Amino acid sequence: SQTIHQWPATLVQPVGSPLSLECTVEGTSNPNLYWYRQAAGRGLQLLFYSIGIDQISSEVPQNLSASRPQDRQFILSSKKLLLSDSGFYLCAWAETGGYSNQPQHFGDGTRLSIL
Amino acid sequence: AQSVTQLDSHVSVSEGTPVLLRCNYSSSYSPSLFWYVQHPNKGLQLLLKYTSAATLVKGINGFEAEFKKSETSFHLTKPSAHMSDAAEYFCVTDSSYKLIFGSGTRLLVRP
Repeated sequence: SQTIHQWPATLVQPVGSPLSLECTVEGTSNPNLYWYRQAAGRGLQLLFYSIGIDQISSEVPQNLSASRPQDRQFILSSKKLLLSDSGFYLCAWAETGGYSNQPQHFGDGTRLSIL
Repeated sequence: AQSVTQLDSHVSVSEGTPVLLRCNYSSSYSPSLFWYVQHPNKGLQLLLKYTSAATLVKGINGFEAEFKKSETSFHLTKPSAHMSDAAEYFCVTDSSYKLIFGSGTRLLVRP
């Protein structure tokens, strides 16, 4: 069966420090991959999605970036964190070619606090 | 454009009583619709999905939802609430590769 792993589970970082969050999926090939952010008391905001290696789309311009070094690995990065980057970051995957009818499956998230 | 509207930001029920979480959708074609649940500090878990095969969709943990085209609704129900059902619930549709989330309904279950 398919599984998705995110780490770390929690992270406390100072303003201006770099960031790297990692997400890996097992048990499937060429999944669609997604990064979301959920700020306190707000809904989910799609940050990036990838329908294949070297195909990453950004939904919101900001100081974050995403990379997909391997088929089932998705990394969220920043060179310099801002206070506004605090939140709950969720990675998700869906079956490849999912135009519709394809649910996304979520990891357990990373709670990021910026001091 | 596809969208979903969750009609209640908070719903409070007593343990053992029925649960109704309301969702209306807007779509120019037959939509895909999902319900997800999120417990505190956890990721989202898929409860059920509608993909036009049947209007009454059964999900996990005793939840079900009925697709009503005439009312453009996809309400989530459960006959008897458990304390463990307390969480936030999201009604979701999709557009191309992306999910479109409702604003969420927080379900409180009173003992």
